Amino acid sequence: GENVEQHPSTLSVQEGDSAVIKCTYSDSASNYFPWYKQELGKGPQLIIDIRSNVGEKKDQRIAVTLNKTAKHFSLHITETQPEDSAVYFCAASEVTGGGNKLTFGTGTQLKVEL
Amino acid sequence: EPEVTQTPSHQVTQMGQEVILRCVPISNHLYFYWYRQILGQKVEFLVSFYNNEISEKSEIFDDQFSVERPDGSNFTLKIRSTKLEDSAMYFCASLLFPGPYSPDTQYFGPGTRLTVL
Repeated sequence: GENVEQHPSTLSVQEGDSAVIKCTYSDSASNYFPWYKQELGKGPQLIIDIRSNVGEKKDQRIAVTLNKTAKHFSLHITETQPEDSAVYFCAASEVTGGGNKLTFGTGTQLKVEL
Repeated sequence: EPEVTQTPSHQVTQMGQEVILRCVPISNHLYFYWYRQILGQKVEFLVSFYNNEISEKSEIFDDQFSVERPDGSNFTLKIRSTKLEDSAMYFCASLLFPGPYSPDTQYFGPGTRLTVL
């Protein structure tokens, strides 16, 4: 089955700096890669996602890059703000029209310091 | 914006008791999921459900677990005889319909924290 590794487990940045979180996956059949943000006591909220036919996607301060050959994908947050502090999870899935289970990484605790 | 809701937010039970966790998925969604997250660990897939039957389940989802869509709006997870290791946050998620031309986003509810004593 799919295995997703995520690094780093914790990341501390100064407000305004950039943050990068990296994930690798094992199953070449995976073709959908979402990133979720989880705040304390809440469920995961999708912040950005990418399909395997695209190498990069950007949404304001957030971008995701995908390298299918190397089986890794990364989340980039620019101009970080205190409200970006949360746990971020990457995930991978094979979209087949049935099932579509997500396999999650172990999470990154991002702390944006003033 | 439509959202997934879950009740209760926190459930405390004694080992060996049955619990039912409830979810109301987004109304026009067709796929439903349960995931769990043991404290400090990653979110793990339990089961997916479509067209009134299980489409996929993980090794965690053994005979003690069952899911049901009893009516047009609710989706439930039942744990027949709870164990200490079932203590976790349980998340329900729903998806409109997966496929190459459809959004693939799974929307998660806020979770139910299950504590087994």
